[in-house]
Amino acid sequence: EDKVVQSPLSLVVHEGDTVTLNCSYEVTNFRSLLWYKQEKKAPTFLFMLTSSGIEKKSGRLSSILDKKELFSILNITATQTGDSAIYLCAVVSNFGNEKLTFGTGTRLTIIP
Amino acid sequence: EAQVTQNPRYLITVTGKKLTVTCSQNMNHEYMSWYRQDPGLGLRQIYYSMNVEVTDKGDVPEGYKVSRKEKRNFPLILESPSPNQTSLYFCASSLKVYNEQFFGPGTRLTVL
Repeated sequence: EDKVVQSPLSLVVHEGDTVTLNCSYEVTNFRSLLWYKQEKKAPTFLFMLTSSGIEKKSGRLSSILDKKELFSILNITATQTGDSAIYLCAVVSNFGNEKLTFGTGTRLTIIP
Repeated sequence: EAQVTQNPRYLITVTGKKLTVTCSQNMNHEYMSWYRQDPGLGLRQIYYSMNVEVTDKGDVPEGYKVSRKEKRNFPLILESPSPNQTSLYFCASSLKVYNEQFFGPGTRLTVL
């Protein structure tokens, strides 16, 4: 059974801090890993990673994948209150049936 | 505007009364799926469809049915809802399974 584990489950930091969110996975025939941000509504896409060691970056957010050690990290620098959200990691497997498996998410709270 | 729509957005019903939640996308996406989101359990895939007339079970398909007669629509059917199906439901679509998923706004279902 495919498994995606995110840590920590919850994180509270002060504005301006840097945070690192973790996502480890065990899936059959890995295809890609995606990060999403969920505020009070539907998840919105952040990054898709398919190749090991290549950093994806968007402003203060960046992410990298390690296919050997089966994990990804999401970094947020100079955090702002608008970064408060649940961050979800999802892995796509490709072994006859192409399905997505989500982790339970990390709830990030930024204190002003 | 490119979007995924779901209806209804909120629904309170009683045990055993059949219901359908509609999902429609206007992006000509091949891949569509349904998720339920419960506290502490994250997003879990119910059913997915790789194209018209091609559907398959996700991780939690029991008690649900789907159909994909047209590319744009992917309704979720609860033949005999039970209280343990009370949840927040999201429909999502993507060009292919490994691409960015676009989520609908969610349907909050309560089964009494």
